[in-house]
Amino acid sequence: NAGVTQTPKFQVLKTGQSMTLQCAQDMNHNSMYWYRQDPGMGLRLIYYSASEGTTDKGEVPNGYNVSRLNKREFSLRLESAAPSQTSVYFCASSGDAGGGEQFFGPGTRLTVL
Amino acid sequence: AQSVTQPDIHITVSEGASLELRCNYSYGATPYLFWYVQSPGQGLQLLLKYFSGDTLVQGIKGFEAEFKRSQSSFNLRKPSVHWSDAAEYFCAVVNSGGYQKVTFGIGTKLQVIP
Repeated sequence: NAGVTQTPKFQVLKTGQSMTLQCAQDMNHNSMYWYRQDPGMGLRLIYYSASEGTTDKGEVPNGYNVSRLNKREFSLRLESAAPSQTSVYFCASSGDAGGGEQFFGPGTRLTVL
Repeated sequence: AQSVTQPDIHITVSEGASLELRCNYSYGATPYLFWYVQSPGQGLQLLLKYFSGDTLVQGIKGFEAEFKRSQSSFNLRKPSVHWSDAAEYFCAVVNSGGYQKVTFGIGTKLQVIP
C-alpha cells in the first residue's frame, strides 16, 4: 500500500511555463484534494473532488485547473506559472467513512522564477 | 462558517517538559476534530481524532487531546516532550453533516531544546 503518491518531488519553472502535478491514491477513496502550503498561512485548499467525475473550487483556485482522471488519480495543472505560485503543494484523499480524516502525499516543492 | 484558531505560531519547550498546544474552533454543531503533525519536508500525518464519546482521546506518539465543548477547544497535550517531537502541528475541524469540508489552522511550530 503506497497511500498517496505525488510526482514530481521538486520542480523549477520559469514564469509563463506550464506543468502538471500528478497525484494518485490506492486506498479506494472517493474524495481527493489539492492544497498549497506557504509560510504563516497554513494549508489552503485549491481544488477538491468529492467523487470521480466531479471537481469544485476551494479557497484559492485562480491560476490552477484540475482533472479527476479516474477514482485513483487527481492532477493539478498550472497553465501559465507565476512567481506567486511558488509553494509546496500537497495532495490528499479521504474516504466516506473516515469522518474527514485525510491522508497526505509527501508534497511537491515548486519554485517559479 | 467553520474556522480554526491556533493562537501560538511558535512554541519552544525543553526536552522532558510537558506540552500543550492550543486549538479553538468555530462551528455550529459538534464537529469532527483532528490533530496532524508535519515533520520537516514531509506531508501531514494524523496524530489523533475526535468524533464523539469520551472527550479525552489518545493518539500516536504519546499525544492526547481533550475536547471541551464549553470552550470550543481541542488542545493537544504530551506529558514529556522528546527531541523527535519537533515539528509543525495542525488542528483541523470537519463539519459533521453533509459534505465533509475540512478547515485547517495555520499551524504551531514546536521547537524542542535540550
